[in-house]
Amino acid sequence: ETGVTQTPRHLVMGMTNKKSLKCEQHLGHNAMYWYKQSAKKPLELMFVYSLEERVENNSVPSRFSPECPNSSHLFLHLHTLQPEDSALYLCASSQDLDTHTGELFFGEGSRLTVL
Amino acid sequence: GQNIDQPTEMTATEGAIVQINCTYQTSGFNGLFWYQQHAGEAPTFLSYNVLDGLEEKGRFSSFLSRSKGYSYLLLKELQMKDSASYLCAVVDSNYQLIWGAGTKLIIKP
Repeated sequence: ETGVTQTPRHLVMGMTNKKSLKCEQHLGHNAMYWYKQSAKKPLELMFVYSLEERVENNSVPSRFSPECPNSSHLFLHLHTLQPEDSALYLCASSQDLDTHTGELFFGEGSRLTVL
Repeated sequence: GQNIDQPTEMTATEGAIVQINCTYQTSGFNGLFWYQQHAGEAPTFLSYNVLDGLEEKGRFSSFLSRSKGYSYLLLKELQMKDSASYLCAVVDSNYQLIWGAGTKLIIKP
């Protein structure tokens, strides 16, 4: 299996829907991340988990709700989203939280379109 | 504020050499990463520089000058598969990753 797997790869939802994005890593890493990638913009860090505990929440609107049930799985629950939330949502993992020396391993992303 | 600048798009010819620049203004510096991202795929790690100088890895090299707040990624003997976006990211004094918007590299035959 590949290192970091994200599902679904593509998602279209209305503003009143509730959906979830799933991320699974098979690398034995301790830290997991959610990033938002919009066209021609820098990656935006949304949430960081270390050993299943949330350690960072970068002023993300409450319509995004993360969940990390164990060190291998990470979810992003979505509800009442806005069209400007349409983007590629990338999950990543690293061995530990010290990303200043350790590389990030990314999934291929979930392309979200909000109508 | 913190800022990473890199060109939005570059075009190069197969077999040639291309240099992608990255300049940064950050609160402190604890290393610089380059990632490659093919369209519709995950970003993948290319290089990490924390000391000044050139790091060579096959056809790819990465250079860092901390005094100038500058890095570049050098790609030699370009191949069509090198068409991708190249992301520059700096680790600041709080050990946060600050990302550039990426450079889309188009390789022409």
